[in-house]
Amino acid sequence: EAQVTQNPRYLITVTGKKLTVTCSQNMNHEYMSWYRQDPGLGLRQIYYSMNVEVTDKGDVPEGYKVSRKEKRNFPLILESPSPNQTSLYFCASSGLFTYEQYFGPGTRLTVT
Amino acid sequence: GIQVEQSPPDLILQEGANSTLRCNFSDSVNNLQWFHQNPWGQLINLFYIPSGTKQNGRLSATTVATERYSLLYISSSQTTDSGVYFCADLPGTYKYIFGTGTRLKVLA
Repeated sequence: EAQVTQNPRYLITVTGKKLTVTCSQNMNHEYMSWYRQDPGLGLRQIYYSMNVEVTDKGDVPEGYKVSRKEKRNFPLILESPSPNQTSLYFCASSGLFTYEQYFGPGTRLTVT
Repeated sequence: GIQVEQSPPDLILQEGANSTLRCNFSDSVNNLQWFHQNPWGQLINLFYIPSGTKQNGRLSATTVATERYSLLYISSSQTTDSGVYFCADLPGTYKYIFGTGTRLKVLA
């Protein structure tokens, strides 16, 4: 089954404790992206990647890191999480020239 | 940057009613998609529709790229249609732009 998976689905952590949210897709998509969703602010893009070792900032990259060492995986790293990073996070993927995005199930992160 | 407006922001329907959701863009439409976010938070693809009309069951969508808008039609609404509907476009920079959504509640 074609899908985008994210782990963990729920995470409660404390300020400053490094964490990684994994994202994997099995559709051989070149393009992958991370979003955060906050009430009243909609979905905002954090980072995206157009292929292995090619990443670029979205609209709200501060406080996040990403890496793309394999085509199927695109982890999101929070080196020192802060409470303002409490949010619902989505990973998405698409073909580079097919554009239709597929979303993962979301990761609900709470930073206390 | 490109602005995306969705209307109405909120909509309450009785089960069985029809509705039209609209998405307006401030610039040309390139790779428009419609999504449904269900009450559990999952984002589900409805249509990839850069132009023209598509139908899938009770849902259909029309994009008029030259006039910078898209419409999503829901016919014979059901309670399972409740949630938030988003449109999004990829204007050519590989940064997707999302609308603010239409929150739909269908009453039994």
